[in-house]
Amino acid sequence: GAVVSQHPSWVICKSGTSVKIECRSLDFQATTMFWYRQFPKQSLMLMATSNEGSKATYEQGVEKDKFLINHASLTLSTLTVTSAHPEDSSFYICSATPFMLWLTGYTFGSGTRLTVV
Amino acid sequence: DAKTTQPNSMESNEEEPVHLPCNHSTISGTDYIHWYRQLPSQGPEYVIHGLTSNVNNRMASLAIAEDRKSSTLILHRATLRDAAVYYCILSGANSKLTFGKGITLSVRP
Repeated sequence: GAVVSQHPSWVICKSGTSVKIECRSLDFQATTMFWYRQFPKQSLMLMATSNEGSKATYEQGVEKDKFLINHASLTLSTLTVTSAHPEDSSFYICSATPFMLWLTGYTFGSGTRLTVV
Repeated sequence: DAKTTQPNSMESNEEEPVHLPCNHSTISGTDYIHWYRQLPSQGPEYVIHGLTSNVNNRMASLAIAEDRKSSTLILHRATLRDAAVYYCILSGANSKLTFGKGITLSVRP
């Protein structure tokens, strides 16, 4: 089945530094990947749609300059949290699908727990 | 995107069937009905999806009302590992998924 790998699974960083999170589709190509953020006891919030070879599309209220997304290949999308602050501490999750959504659902990564101290 | 409405929580007994309802009265003709579940500190897991007809897979069944304004996820025999937050989501073909609050399923041994 389709597998999406996310790395790292958890990271602790100092306030003001940048952190990169990788999302890889292991056994399929994904022209589109999605990035979500989830705060404790809340639902997933879509941050942006990552498109291979083009600029990401950000949801309203998400800072493009703070959350840099790069989708340089059909199997890899990265999310970089720049100048991280404690309020950026959250659970970040990516997802992708190998086929059209109507054929199969999306596969999600296992998530990255970011803690900014 | 069309919205869905789910109860906040539900309890079930182990090895008994569970019916999780979802209302989506503003569903459009091209919206698919998706169900995902999420365990604590994990990414969501695909459960099932459908358009008009009822669907069955190894995990669950999806019963879709004739007018498509509601649907029910059926877990035939709940296990402790089925305790999770279940999300009912509508999406057009090949579009993004917008998560609601979901329903928290507890399973009693």
